[in-house]
Order: sequence, then structure tokens, then C-alpha cells
Amino acid sequence: DGGITQSPKYLFRKEGQNVTLSCEQNLNHDAMYWYRQDPGQGLRLIYYSQIVNDFQKGDIAEGYSVSREKKESFPLTVTSAQKNPTAFYLCASSPRQPNTEAFFGQGTRLTVV
Amino acid sequence: DQQVKQNSPSLSVQEGRISILNCDYTNSMFDYFLWYKKYPAEGPTFLISISSIKDKNEDGRFTVFLNKSAKHLSLHIVPSQPGDSAVYFCAAIPRAGGTSYGKLTFGQGTILTVHP
Repeated sequence: DGGITQSPKYLFRKEGQNVTLSCEQNLNHDAMYWYRQDPGQGLRLIYYSQIVNDFQKGDIAEGYSVSREKKESFPLTVTSAQKNPTAFYLCASSPRQPNTEAFFGQGTRLTVV
Repeated sequence: DQQVKQNSPSLSVQEGRISILNCDYTNSMFDYFLWYKKYPAEGPTFLISISSIKDKNEDGRFTVFLNKSAKHLSLHIVPSQPGDSAVYFCAAIPRAGGTSYGKLTFGQGTILTVHP
């Protein structure tokens, strides 16, 4: 059963700590993405990767880091440098071809306490 | 710099009537447009899309219209059902090639409520 798995669904972090959000896909997609959703602001792109071992900053990359060592995995680290990390984080993947939709995971709610 | 805009934060419609959700964009490099539906605490699910070479695409109760000269698209849902109540996002992808390849840009979303 193909899809995108994000874990955990809920995550609590103390201020000053780094935390890594997991994203795994078995859709054999080349491209993967991380978005952040805040109330009233839609989905904003943090990082994206078109192929393994390559990734680009999105619109709000500051305070985040990623890696793409395997095609199936695209973990996102929220560092202590991210000033407002409490948000709903969404991972997506798509085939690397024109005019195709992206498929999303169920999201991770990160709360800084 | 909001390249994709949904200017109506919310829309309320009676069951059985038409829902019309609107979206405007500013980047003329956008080549493909999508609508996603999202429930709270879940990931968005793809609804319908349209290429810039078309002005209409239909899938069951859902129709998307594209007006390239006005840089405007709309999603029509007919007839609306209570289960359609969700947040609807429009998104756009630029033409193939370059570093923005495949990159989706989303609007802010519109909350649709369909009353029984």
C-alpha cells in the first residue's frame, strides 16, 4: 500500500532543542518537499529535493535543515535557530515530471513548550 | 510576495447549491494549477488540476476554470454536500525547467462550510 508516512504525529520540544521530523515514501517518487502550515497563511515551502543528495531552500528555510541520502527518506530538522517553530509540518512527494500533483503525508504537529 | 492568492478566507453555502472558490496568481511562469482539499490535522488531498493550455477541466461534481488573461482560476462544486466542508487550497507549478521545477506554490486557503 503506497504512500507517505510522517512520524510522529505529535511532537513536543523544549526551547533550545533541535528536533527531527521523519518522512518516508514508498511511491518511488524522485521529488520530495517540506511545507509548514500556520493559521491563515496556507502552506509555505521550507525545503525541496528533486533527486537524491540534492536539495534547495524554499521560501522559509531559515532555522531548518534537511538531508536526502536515500530516495525514500527526507528528514527535516528544526533547529534552535528557528524562532517560531510551533506549527503543522507537511511532507509531500511527486514524480519528477511536468504537470503532476504532489502527494502529502498526514502531517506532524510540533509544539515548543 | 504572495504569488498565489485566495482572497476569501471563508465561504458558507447551503447543501445542494453551487460553491465557487476563487484563486488569483501573479506569476506568468505558472503552467499548471491544482486544487487540494484539507481537513484539520490531516494532509491535503488532490482534487482536480488544469493545464494552462486548457480553460476548463471537469471531474464529477468538481469543475475548474482558468482565465489566463486575468490570471484567475475558480473551483465550482455542484451540488455542494456537507462532506465537502473543508479547507480548499489552490496551488500552481511553474513551467518545466530551471530550479523551480516541480515546486508548488500554495494560496492561503478558503474554509468552505456546507450547511445541511
